Amino acid sequence: GENVEQHPSTLSVQEGDSAVIKCTYSDSASNYFPWYKQELGKGPQLIIDIRSNVGEKKDQRIAVTLNKTAKHFSLHITETQPEDSAVYFCAASSPRDDKIIFGKGTRLHILP
Amino acid sequence: EAGVAQSPRYKIIEKRQSVAFWCNPISGHATLYWYQQILGQGPKLLIQFQNNGVVDDSQLPKDRFSAERLKGVDSTLKIQPAKLEDSAVYLCASSILYSQKISGNTIYFGEGSWLTVV
Repeated sequence: GENVEQHPSTLSVQEGDSAVIKCTYSDSASNYFPWYKQELGKGPQLIIDIRSNVGEKKDQRIAVTLNKTAKHFSLHITETQPEDSAVYFCAASSPRDDKIIFGKGTRLHILP
Repeated sequence: EAGVAQSPRYKIIEKRQSVAFWCNPISGHATLYWYQQILGQGPKLLIQFQNNGVVDDSQLPKDRFSAERLKGVDSTLKIQPAKLEDSAVYLCASSILYSQKISGNTIYFGEGSWLTVV
């Protein structure tokens, strides 16, 4: 089945700087890649997703890139703000089993 | 629009005791999921319902976990008897459709039920 690796596990960036979180996946058939943000005491919330027919997608300060050949995808947050502090999960879904498999998460700290 | 509702939010039980969690999905969502999230890890799917039928329960430890969605709306997840390793957050989620192959079929999560087994 699909396996998703996520790095780093913890990331600290200065407010205003950019943050990048990287993920790799194992199933070459995977074609849907959502990213979730989980704040303390809350459930994960979808923030952006990408399908394998595009290489990049952007929504304001958040962007996701996908490299199908290398089987990796990344989340980019620009001009980070204190409210960006949270745990971020990448995930992948393959049409083989139609399940979403999550990475282990990245705890992002925005430093004042 | 109301989100996914879960209760109780927190529960502490002794090992070998039983516990039940309740979930009310977003109105109109046919698909309901139960995930287990162990501290420091991503959510892992336990069971997925489409209306009142089970779509996938391959990761559910059926010797101790059970779940039902009798009328195709609310759902209950039960653990009996609980083990120490069941300590986790149990997340309920829902979506309009069952398949991730369909664009826009966002999964919405509840705030979770935190279980500690001592």
